[in-house]
Amino acid sequence: KNQVEQSPQSLIILEGKNCTLQCNYTVSPFSNLRWYKQDTGRGPVSLTIMTFSENTKSNGRYTATLDADTKQSSLHITASQLSDSASYICVVSASQAGTALIFGKGTTLSVSS
Amino acid sequence: DVKVTQSSRYLVKRTGEKVFLECVQDMDHENMFWYRQDPGLGLRLIYFSYDVKMKEKGDIPEGYSVSREKKERFSLILESASTNQTSMYLCASRPDRRSNYGYTFGSGTRLTVV
Repeated sequence: KNQVEQSPQSLIILEGKNCTLQCNYTVSPFSNLRWYKQDTGRGPVSLTIMTFSENTKSNGRYTATLDADTKQSSLHITASQLSDSASYICVVSASQAGTALIFGKGTTLSVSS
Repeated sequence: DVKVTQSSRYLVKRTGEKVFLECVQDMDHENMFWYRQDPGLGLRLIYFSYDVKMKEKGDIPEGYSVSREKKERFSLILESASTNQTSMYLCASRPDRRSNYGYTFGSGTRLTVV
């Protein structure tokens, strides 16, 4: 069964600190993996998209890694800011034509001052 | 940038009412999707459409229907709203079936059924 598991479920950190969010998946065949940021009450916004051949991608202070062999991804946030407080959702796309995305349940990050 | 617009940010409806949630995209995308998002459950696919007048059931279609009369507009219909349909509803679109990129979400509609 295609699944995406995220950990931790929630995380609280101090402003300025770094953190890493984890995503493990059992999706086959694999096409790509995305990380989304979702502010409270808003729709998800894409941070990064990685295909099988990519093992790291950055978007400002966000850096995503992908290990296609172990089927694991991480999202590292550097020098966190209060505006990073949000849910972060890992989403995996399978290669079959027309297949919709498989979503993780998300990690809720709270950055406090 | 692709824009996916959901007509209402917040809606409050009564049990038994017929409810229409509207979604419009402005980039000539073929595929459109409706999800609901609930705490602890994540996003779940309700219905999707590959093109005009086409529709496919997702994982949780019960109690919902959809309409795609024009390419840019995909409507989600709650035939008789119930309290267990209180949720955040998200619309998304992508260029076509071959595109694993360019998947864009709307801002969401928070529906409360009382």
